[in-house]
Amino acid sequence: EDQVTQSPEALRLQEGESSSLNCSYTVSGLRGLFWYRQDPGKGPEFLFTLYSAGEEKEKERLKATLTKKESFLHITAPKPEDSATYLCAVQAKTGTASKLTFGTGTRLQVTL
Amino acid sequence: DVKVTQSSRYLVKRTGEKVFLECVQDMDHENMFWYRQDPGLGLRLIYFSYDVKMKEKGDIPEGYSVSREKKERFSLILESASTNQTSMYLCASSAHSSINNEQFFGPGTRLTVL
Repeated sequence: EDQVTQSPEALRLQEGESSSLNCSYTVSGLRGLFWYRQDPGKGPEFLFTLYSAGEEKEKERLKATLTKKESFLHITAPKPEDSATYLCAVQAKTGTASKLTFGTGTRLQVTL
Repeated sequence: DVKVTQSSRYLVKRTGEKVFLECVQDMDHENMFWYRQDPGLGLRLIYFSYDVKMKEKGDIPEGYSVSREKKERFSLILESASTNQTSMYLCASSAHSSINNEQFFGPGTRLTVL
């Protein structure tokens, strides 16, 4: 059974204080690992897809990296508007295509 | 701009009522999904569909059914709503492809069953 564990559950940063969120996974052959951002009361918003170990993707202050067992979402010099819950999900090569298994998320709060 | 819309943002129903949640996507995606999201449990897949009139059970299908009569529309049905179905319901769609198949989500429906 595919599993995704995210840590920490919650993270409070001051503006400009860089940090990383972790996503550990077990999957029967990884097709893709996805990162989403979710604001309170809204649907998740797609950020990145990573397909193979060593791959990196960046968007503004966010950079996602992937190894064979985990992914990190690095946040550089965060701003209050980066406050949200960040979700990680994996898609397996076997089984039903397109099905995602989600972690429970990291709730990030960035204060002034 | 890609868009997934859901029929209601907030819904209050009584125990035993039949409830319909509708989702429409304008991206010509083959795949559509219904999730529920609860604190501490994350997103859990209820049902999904990879083609018109096709459906497959997800991880928690009990108490739910779905309908997909048109490619752009996917409906979730609670045959007899119960209080434990109070939750945030999220619809998503994706392309049927081995890459670039990220799921795009709607804004969610917050359902309360009294």
